[in-house]
Amino acid sequence: RKEVEQDPGPFNVPEGATVAFNCTYSNSASQSFFWYRQDCRKEPKLLMSVYSSGNEDGRFTAQLNRASQYISLLIRDSKLSDSATYLCVVNPWSTGNQFYFGTGTSLTVIP
Amino acid sequence: NAGVTQTPKFRILKIGQSMTLQCTQDMNHNYMYWYRQDPGMGLKLIYYSVGAGITDKGEVPNGYNVSRSTTEDFPLRLELAAPSQTSVYFCASSYSKLGGTDTQYFGPGTRLTVL
Repeated sequence: RKEVEQDPGPFNVPEGATVAFNCTYSNSASQSFFWYRQDCRKEPKLLMSVYSSGNEDGRFTAQLNRASQYISLLIRDSKLSDSATYLCVVNPWSTGNQFYFGTGTSLTVIP
Repeated sequence: NAGVTQTPKFRILKIGQSMTLQCTQDMNHNYMYWYRQDPGMGLKLIYYSVGAGITDKGEVPNGYNVSRSTTEDFPLRLELAAPSQTSVYFCASSYSKLGGTDTQYFGPGTRLTVL
């Protein structure tokens, strides 16, 4: 079983739409969770960390469900500039300092 | 701060050739990582280092070697290039904190083709 699994998409949504991505992780002892954004042929960049109580950053909301071992990312009022691949990242401290990346979910926002 | 820098940006190798991918960070991060990303796939950890003089294998270390003689530099060595090593290579660094590690910062990547 993969450490981190994501729906690869692609998600094609119109501008202004709300879109949600989910990600599941296999190691129940995982402690740190992140969403990264990766533009085509570029390096991943941190979008936001995911905290136990959930957190929001502008149009972006991240949630963590430890019981079901999944994290989610909600994007409201989608912009053309949100088009990218979104990577779910998990750091199970029990395995040292390794980070596990999902394969990414592709989002295209259509005018 | 330049952050994490990688050289070269692109490289084409012939089968059996060797090369070193350079990675430098100026953020005084103690943790550094090498990943490879194949098309349509997630990042896979090759090697990582928790500090100067300490390295450890990741998920896919075969065919690669690393060294960490300074905090800033973490070069990745390919000794006998094979077509299966065609990929994009990302170097990353992070700062350790109590109970775990902080966010990873990535370099711009090196696109390697082995023919």
